[in-house]
Amino acid sequence: DAGVIQSPRHEVTEMGQEVTLRCKPISGHNSLFWYRQTMMRGLELLIYFNNNVPIDDSGMPEDRFSAKMPNASFSTLKIQPSEPRDSAVCFCASSSRTGTLFFGEGSRLTVL
Amino acid sequence: RKEVEQDPGPFNVPEGATVAFNCTYSNSASQSFFWYRQDCRKEPKLLMSVYSSGNEDGRFTAQLNRASQYISLLIRDSKLSDSATYLCVVLTTGKLIFGQGTTLQVKP
Repeated sequence: DAGVIQSPRHEVTEMGQEVTLRCKPISGHNSLFWYRQTMMRGLELLIYFNNNVPIDDSGMPEDRFSAKMPNASFSTLKIQPSEPRDSAVCFCASSSRTGTLFFGEGSRLTVL
Repeated sequence: RKEVEQDPGPFNVPEGATVAFNCTYSNSASQSFFWYRQDCRKEPKLLMSVYSSGNEDGRFTAQLNRASQYISLLIRDSKLSDSATYLCVVLTTGKLIFGQGTTLQVKP
């Protein structure tokens, strides 16, 4: 069975550039989460969606970050403009009503 | 104060040892509790849920103390393959909040 699929796996970009990360949740899962992980701050919840609707985006650090879920099988996390402090591993995760989170392999972002 | 706190370790133990991790949470209304495991440069994966009465899965035992607001994970007869970071996770107001993780290194 396909798990959560994220792309790209690695992204290296220069400060000021736009970054778009993509996620395909597990089919049938109705909740989708975006997390960011750094050594300093650990895993932080950025935003989550239920049935494609954003429920809580209080973890989004600032206006440079935005997330969309246009349908049940696709979500994007966008950073514009990117800054070096945005360097992190961004994980997408999905869950069904049981609540168990299944994570994608992550997108490792480096902003120079 | 962080919502979920863990000792980052690392815990360095020999094979066969018993090791225990604790985790404290700040919100008394937290509803559900989990332990996730994360291998180096990999994604977190569910290890086990934590039930009020405590639960066991093979060499792993999880316990919850609501009065003191902490959960624990006990690993018996540790294996080299247990080396990983163990993340305490708490469901609070609909959100899963992760601790920073405790790193375990099992040595031969």
